[in-house]
Amino acid sequence: GEDVEQSLFLSVREGDSSVINCTYTDSSSTYLYWYKQEPGAGLQLLTYIFSNMDMKQDQRLTVLLNKKDKHLSLRIADTQTGDSAIYFCAEKGTGTASKLTFGTGTRLQVTL
Amino acid sequence: GAVVSQHPSRVICKSGTSVKIECRSLDFQATTMFWYRQFPKQSLMLMATSNEGSKATYEQGVEKDKFLINHASLTLSTLTVTSAHPEDSSFYICSAPPGLAGGIDTQYFGPGTRLTVL
Repeated sequence: GEDVEQSLFLSVREGDSSVINCTYTDSSSTYLYWYKQEPGAGLQLLTYIFSNMDMKQDQRLTVLLNKKDKHLSLRIADTQTGDSAIYFCAEKGTGTASKLTFGTGTRLQVTL
Repeated sequence: GAVVSQHPSRVICKSGTSVKIECRSLDFQATTMFWYRQFPKQSLMLMATSNEGSKATYEQGVEKDKFLINHASLTLSTLTVTSAHPEDSSFYICSAPPGLAGGIDTQYFGPGTRLTVL
């Protein structure tokens, strides 16, 4: 079955860049996503990348995809205290109504 | 953008009672909705796929008689936790794919329901 792994915790100083990594096993993934979850809240879609892309940049967010190694990363430039949250990567197979498989989540702590 | 709501946001109940959680897509129709469960400091685990007009599809290990799902309309799915016990205490989150008309192929998530069973 699918398996998606992330490191559990990352601490960065305000203003530095954060890089959150994710590895997955399903080579048939069509889309890969990054979601943000603040305490006690649902998930907010941050960005996504289609499986035939290598990189996508959206303001402070840069997503890199290495399909050969099944490795996905999210870089947050100029990290702010408001970025403190849990970040989940997720993969989706084919079909619009296909389920998502979530990573284990990375807790990002931003310090002053 | 696409919005998904859940009600209630928080519920506390006694052991043995049943609790109903609603999930609504507010500005789009969803023939499919997903129900997830999240334990503290853990990832989301898919419980079941709710299908409008047909039976829900449950993931392995999820008791369909305990977690009743009804997809009553194209904008509403309900999850009923029957005869709830303390081990059912969790954060329940629903999601719905808006379809490609939503611009991207993804799912939009509700804000979650915190269930505490005493």
